[in-house]
Amino acid sequence: SAVISQKPSRDICQRGTSLTIQCQVDSQVTMMFWYRQQPGQSLTLIATANQGSEATYESGFVIDKFPISRPNLTFSTLTVSNMSPEDSSIYLCSVEDGLRQFFGPGTRLTVL
Amino acid sequence: GEDVEQSLFLSVREGDSSVINCTYTDSSSTYLYWYKQEPGAGLQLLTYIFSNMDMKQDQRLTVLLNKKDKHLSLRIADTQTGDSAIYFCAESFSTGTASKLTFGTGTRLQVTL
Repeated sequence: SAVISQKPSRDICQRGTSLTIQCQVDSQVTMMFWYRQQPGQSLTLIATANQGSEATYESGFVIDKFPISRPNLTFSTLTVSNMSPEDSSIYLCSVEDGLRQFFGPGTRLTVL
Repeated sequence: GEDVEQSLFLSVREGDSSVINCTYTDSSSTYLYWYKQEPGAGLQLLTYIFSNMDMKQDQRLTVLLNKKDKHLSLRIADTQTGDSAIYFCAESFSTGTASKLTFGTGTRLQVTL
């Protein structure tokens, strides 16, 4: 199974600022995904990131708020822009490996 | 849209069996998954089942799928305190270029001594 790491593991940020979350995979993968898990909630897909093309965003999520980069087959970043307290969540990246999706450990973001 | 429902909480005694249930509404899903999330951690893939299968067993885990009723269950035999976590079921849909997961609401399993 793919091994996924995320940086930072957690952060506390001021409203109005931006945070970039990094996701690194130990093998080359075609598709990477970014999810949000709000406190006490389930996971919601933000976007799908394919290397070499623009990310595909789900309903309710826009590129200006959550810009994503996918420069190569092992790395992706998600930026949470102009943050507000409502953005306080765990952000998880995942990769598709055949029939399975594996998840990173998550980035716990608190916005004050 | 797709809805995946789970009961919120389950409490079992150590050594007993746990059964976590999940219902879904979209019959076009290809695979169904169970994930485990321990406090402060990411999601760990426990097992998955193809939508044309009825049952899958993997050590202490048994997955049952009733496609007619759109009902999925995860049975954990001989439940241990280390099994205390939140369990999410998820269904997978192929978009042609990727498989998207829709997650259930999660069931918090508490194992008591």
